[in-house]
Amino acid sequence: EAQVTQNPRYLITVTGKKLTVTCSQNMNHEYMSWYRQDPGLGLRQIYYSMNVEVTDKGDVPEGYKVSRKEKRNFPLILESPSPNQTSLYFCASSFVPPGELFFGEGSRLTVL
Amino acid sequence: AQSVSQHNHHVILSEAASLELGCNYSYGGTVNLFWYVQYPGQHLQLLLKYFSGDPLVKGIKGFEAEFIKSKFSFNLRKPSVQWSDTAEYFCAVIHGSGNTGKLIFGQGTTLQVKP
Repeated sequence: EAQVTQNPRYLITVTGKKLTVTCSQNMNHEYMSWYRQDPGLGLRQIYYSMNVEVTDKGDVPEGYKVSRKEKRNFPLILESPSPNQTSLYFCASSFVPPGELFFGEGSRLTVL
Repeated sequence: AQSVSQHNHHVILSEAASLELGCNYSYGGTVNLFWYVQYPGQHLQLLLKYFSGDPLVKGIKGFEAEFIKSKFSFNLRKPSVQWSDTAEYFCAVIHGSGNTGKLIFGQGTTLQVKP
């Protein structure tokens, strides 16, 4: 089954404790991207990757890191999480050029 | 900076009413346009997309959208909504060149359909 898998789905952590949200897709998509969803703000792009070893900033990259060492994986790293990073995070993938995005189920992160 | 604006933040309709959700974007060049839907507790799914050709695009579940280049608009329509259409709807835009991965979403419109 074609899917984008994110883990963890839910996480409560404390300020400053490094965490990684994993994202994996099985559709051989070149393009992968991370978004955060906040009430009234819609989805805002954090980082995206057009292919392996190619990443670029979206609109809200501050406080986040990504890597794309393999085509199927695109982890999102919060080196030192802060409460303003409390949000719902979505990973998505697509063929290039980006057309129909396939989204993961979301990861709800709370930073205390 | 490019932006996408959805005029209606919260829409409440009765079943069988007609729906039109507005979407305007700021970029003046070639664009690819999308509407996504997010049902309660679920991830986003594609409703329809426009890349080129006929500006009236038909999507799933009876939805359609019209691209009006002169108005920078891509409004979503449905002639008769159902209770199951209750969801959040997002318009999204990407430059049509295909060399960029910056897909920009609007703020979203919450649609509540009363049975």
